[in-house]
Amino acid sequence: DQQVKQNSPSLSVQEGRISILNCDYTNSMFDYFLWYKKYPAEGPTFLISISSIKDKNEDGRFTVFLNKSAKHLSLHIVPSQPGDSAVYFCAASAEGTYKYIFGTGTRLKVLA
Amino acid sequence: SQTIHQWPATLVQPVGSPLSLECTVEGTSNPNLYWYRQAAGRGLQLLFYSVGIGQISSEVPQNLSASRPQDRQFILSSKKLLLSDSGFYLCAWGRGDTEAFFGQGTRLTVV
Repeated sequence: DQQVKQNSPSLSVQEGRISILNCDYTNSMFDYFLWYKKYPAEGPTFLISISSIKDKNEDGRFTVFLNKSAKHLSLHIVPSQPGDSAVYFCAASAEGTYKYIFGTGTRLKVLA
Repeated sequence: SQTIHQWPATLVQPVGSPLSLECTVEGTSNPNLYWYRQAAGRGLQLLFYSVGIGQISSEVPQNLSASRPQDRQFILSSKKLLLSDSGFYLCAWGRGDTEAFFGQGTRLTVV
């Protein structure tokens, strides 16, 4: 039972363009969402988060959008850079559960 | 500042051998601690989490166990490894309502 889904296993984008990574969830109790970036053989690093009381959060080139009614969130990277090439995971947690549930990841390749 | 240490970085073990992976956190007290496994096509699967010393919650029935003997120490163990236990194991700490921070991971290959 995959509560957090990333339906695109991979994405290729030209340098300088926008990268849009998508994530869907099924549990309506989730109220905190996170995006992580992961390079091979390393631990994931935190990028950006959003709480369910917001619909947008921005940090530099990274913006996360949350659509609660659709149970969907997306990560926008503008402009995309070759160093952004990595696997991106979205994650969700529900208040009081202490657990972070991750999606299966999307491999982003930014082409120079 | 908080840091998380996980070792070893790589491990090759024969089938049927025991396993012990250790994770320690510095710079914070009473963290929530997590063990995840990344396997091909499976994303990051939560294996165990702990909200306090001696308190372990298991998410997936399997051949592994976890223990938290001290506040900032989390251990992943197995008595007898299976081939299917191969994967990339990650320890993390967090508070549940803010971001979690991950260690560098352990690549386990069971042969």
